[in-house]
Amino acid sequence: NAGVTQTPKFRILKIGQSMTLQCTQDMNHNYMYWYRQDPGMGLKLIYYSVGAGITDKGEVPNGYNVSRSTTEDFPLRLELAAPSQTSVYFCAADRGGSYNEQFFGPGTRLTVL
Amino acid sequence: GENVEQHPSTLSVQEGDSAVIKCTYSDSASNYFPWYKQELGKRPQLIIDIRSNVGEKKDQRIAVTLNKTAKHFSLHITETQPEDSAVYFCAASRGSGAGSYQLTFGKGTKLSVIP
Repeated sequence: NAGVTQTPKFRILKIGQSMTLQCTQDMNHNYMYWYRQDPGMGLKLIYYSVGAGITDKGEVPNGYNVSRSTTEDFPLRLELAAPSQTSVYFCAADRGGSYNEQFFGPGTRLTVL
Repeated sequence: GENVEQHPSTLSVQEGDSAVIKCTYSDSASNYFPWYKQELGKRPQLIIDIRSNVGEKKDQRIAVTLNKTAKHFSLHITETQPEDSAVYFCAASRGSGAGSYQLTFGKGTKLSVIP
């Protein structure tokens, strides 16, 4: 199993451009998450999904959108990129329910210039 | 919402010494406390976790302790090795029930083990 995979690994955007960060998992986990990691700031939850067709905002959702049409895929959309969105983005998945380990993808390093 | 504070932000120890990282949380309903290790340029990975009905848990050289009354939990690494050098994150969640899937992370501790 590949686990959680993310593409691209690196990306440079210009201010105002848009892009989609891809996340796919082959573990058949219902719960999926998007985090951003800024230096010295830990992981902040952007959006999460508890199953196909169900998404909800996390702590820092502004400037982002998500969709969940299948169990496997949970793309993150950035509209009108801003320098404040320069960060490392991690997708994660877990089974849901109680006390479950979250499995993280390898991350996408995004720079907005 | 939950707030997790983690200290220290950086920690340097000599190889073979012990390292202790401490976290406090604010939500009394939190009952699941995982610790993640992130090596440079890699993804976070779970190394140990503890539930609120347990005061201490050990796994070889790592252990976690929990004091629910004081709302703090700690990670202990004994006999540190160079490969323990990484950033460690504590986290808290309700573990089950409404909102159980939302982990709140501390800001991380960069541990350096000096050979």
